[in-house]
Amino acid sequence: ETGVTQSPTHLIKTRGQQVTLRCSSQSGHNTVSWYQQALGQGPQFIFQYYREEENGRGNFPPRFSGLQFPNYSSELNVNALELDDSALYLCASRQIPGGTGANVLTFGAGSRLTVL
Amino acid sequence: SQQGEEDPQALSIQEGENATMNCSYKTSINNLQWYRQNSGRGLVHLILIRSNEREKHSGRLRVTLDTSKKSSSLLITASRAADTASYFCAGSEKLVFGKGTKLTVNP
Repeated sequence: ETGVTQSPTHLIKTRGQQVTLRCSSQSGHNTVSWYQQALGQGPQFIFQYYREEENGRGNFPPRFSGLQFPNYSSELNVNALELDDSALYLCASRQIPGGTGANVLTFGAGSRLTVL
Repeated sequence: SQQGEEDPQALSIQEGENATMNCSYKTSINNLQWYRQNSGRGLVHLILIRSNEREKHSGRLRVTLDTSKKSSSLLITASRAADTASYFCAGSEKLVFGKGTKLTVNP
């Protein structure tokens, strides 16, 4: 299997609820990063997981949490949803360390979350 | 921060013209990468330039890097309507993106 797949593609939640987004990394990639992209903005780095541990985090509160599993798939969990959490959530994977292609991210198509 | 900041925010040109967009960053980097995003989709990697390189070509893409000025430029030659997208740059490890340049190529 190649490429990064994300699910679900679209979902609607109400304020205060919790959401789990899933990502299947590209085969051979051991690192996954999550980004939040609001409409008209660039992707904002949420966090990165390497070998099942978080090894970098952007300016996001603790209610944003994640997991990386031994098969390198990943989850993004957001608790106590707020209206401003409405965005496209992007998952990206890469191989660290690597050869010529090191550090190049492969992105999924994203999960579009709407919070009402 | 290794965040890239793209300039201009928006660019509109006619098919066949060249498009140039710029990127600035604040800290030292090992490499700089450019990505493209079609509306509402994931980003796609275009080209990577290492800190010891000054210029790199890939098809109709030309990227330059000036580490002394902490800046990079992406040139798309002979643009096509299909090049309409947002373009982002990011440096090195954490790959933190700016707001991007929204390119519109008019037929």
